[in-house]
Amino acid sequence: NAGVTQTPKFQVLKTGQSMTLQCAQDMNHNSMYWYRQDPGMGLRLIYYSASEGTTDKGEVPNGYNVSRLNKREFSLRLESAAPSQTSVYFCASSGQYNSPLHFGNGTRLTVT
Amino acid sequence: AQSVTQLGSHVSVSEGALVLLRCNYSSSVPPYLFWYVQYPNQGLQLLLKYTSAATLVKGINGFEAEFKKSETSFHLTKPSAHMSDAAEYFCAVMVTGGGNKLTFGTGTQLKVEL
Repeated sequence: NAGVTQTPKFQVLKTGQSMTLQCAQDMNHNSMYWYRQDPGMGLRLIYYSASEGTTDKGEVPNGYNVSRLNKREFSLRLESAAPSQTSVYFCASSGQYNSPLHFGNGTRLTVT
Repeated sequence: AQSVTQLGSHVSVSEGALVLLRCNYSSSVPPYLFWYVQYPNQGLQLLLKYTSAATLVKGINGFEAEFKKSETSFHLTKPSAHMSDAAEYFCAVMVTGGGNKLTFGTGTQLKVEL
């Protein structure tokens, strides 16, 4: 049972480059999320998708775009990477109302 | 808006000692609260959740948490620490308004010493 799968695990970008982080879940969950984790700041919500076909901004959406490709997949795109986007990115999914989030193992991104 | 505050970014205990990790919440409506654990280089794993049923919630690995409305607290405890408990622990509150969004505390790094 794979759960939430994120690719890649590691990535190094130069300032101004673009990339897409991929996320897929096999639990038939309606909702999916992208968080970033920075030391001393916990996890902050970037974007989420409450259901297939919808996306909404979270706490820190600037510099990011998302696509809910289908029920399983939710991608995060950095159009022009900046050093401030150096972070660990986590994808998560959840099912019914008030059910907990299930997390992937993260993507460690460094922007130089 | 709902929020949580974790007191103490680092906690150190001896193996076999009581573990107490503190979390206070702010919410204008009855909250749904969670504790997650993160081991090095891994994602977050659910320890336990409070969803307005019993106020004492038991989780995995011997952890439990008690919801105290009068103190707006949801502290995590374990009677006897084990070396394998060394990890980062996050308290989180579910945000109302759709989408099951979680707002996290800043985390507490637990160190267990021999």
